[in-house]
Amino acid sequence: EIVMTQSPATLSLSPGERATLSCRASQSVSSSLAWYQQKPGQAPRLLIYDASTRATDIPARFSGSGSGTDFTLTISSLEPEDFAVYYCQQRSYWPPAFTFGGGTKVEIK
Amino acid sequence: QVQLVESGGGVVQPGRSLRLSCAASGFTFNMYAMHWVRQAPGKGLEWVAVMSHDGTNKYYADSVKGRFTISRDNSKNTLSLQMNSLRAEDTAVYYCARDPYYFDSSGYYWEGYFDYWGQGALVAVSS
Repeated sequence: EIVMTQSPATLSLSPGERATLSCRASQSVSSSLAWYQQKPGQAPRLLIYDASTRATDIPARFSGSGSGTDFTLTISSLEPEDFAVYYCQQRSYWPPAFTFGGGTKVEIK
Repeated sequence: QVQLVESGGGVVQPGRSLRLSCAASGFTFNMYAMHWVRQAPGKGLEWVAVMSHDGTNKYYADSVKGRFTISRDNSKNTLSLQMNSLRAEDTAVYYCARDPYYFDSSGYYWEGYFDYWGQGALVAVSS
C-alpha cells in the first residue's frame, strides 16, 4: 500500500503570502497525484490532477509540481477564501487504490 | 450543472445495516465511473469503493471488503452503497463522487480522481 505523507500539518500565513505544501509518496506514483481543498462543513474540491493540471475553474494562483515521490502545491498569493485544509491523493489504476494524505491546514496567522 | 445528492444516513447500532443512495443529475451518468469516499469526524479522507460506468467492474477498500456493496441503477441515475455488519469505525460522512473519465471504449474504466462531490451523508454507528 502506498502511503501519502503531507507536511507541514499546519501552515500559518497571512493573506497575500505564498503557501508551499508538500506531499510525499512511500513509492513512486509517477504523476498520478491530485490535490483537493476542503473548507469546514463542505465537500472537498478538486484543484489539481496529474500533479500539475488545474481542474476546471481553478484560479491560476494554484499550481502543482513534482513527480515520482515528491509533490508540491503552491498558492502564489493567499486570498481569504484559500484558508482551508488541503489533501493530496494518489491513484493506482490496477488493482485500484486511491489513497489520501493526512492533510495540511492553512490557517490565518 | 453536475449535482450529487446523498441520502440514507443516520444512526445505527453496531452489526446492523444501512443503505446510502446518491442521486446524480446534470451529466450523462451512465458514462462515468462513480466512487464512495468517507471521512470520519475530524479526520482525513478515505476512499471506499468504485464502480465502472456500466456496473461491470467494482472494487473496494480492504477496510470494507465483504461488508459493503456498491451498485448503480443507470435508468434512475442513482448510485448506492449497501453497508452491512457496521462497526463503530465506519462512523463517517460518506460522499459520493464522480470520476472524471468519460468512458470511450479505450479499455479504461476510471481515472481515479474525484471531480465532483455530493454534500455527504452522516453515518453514525453507536449502541
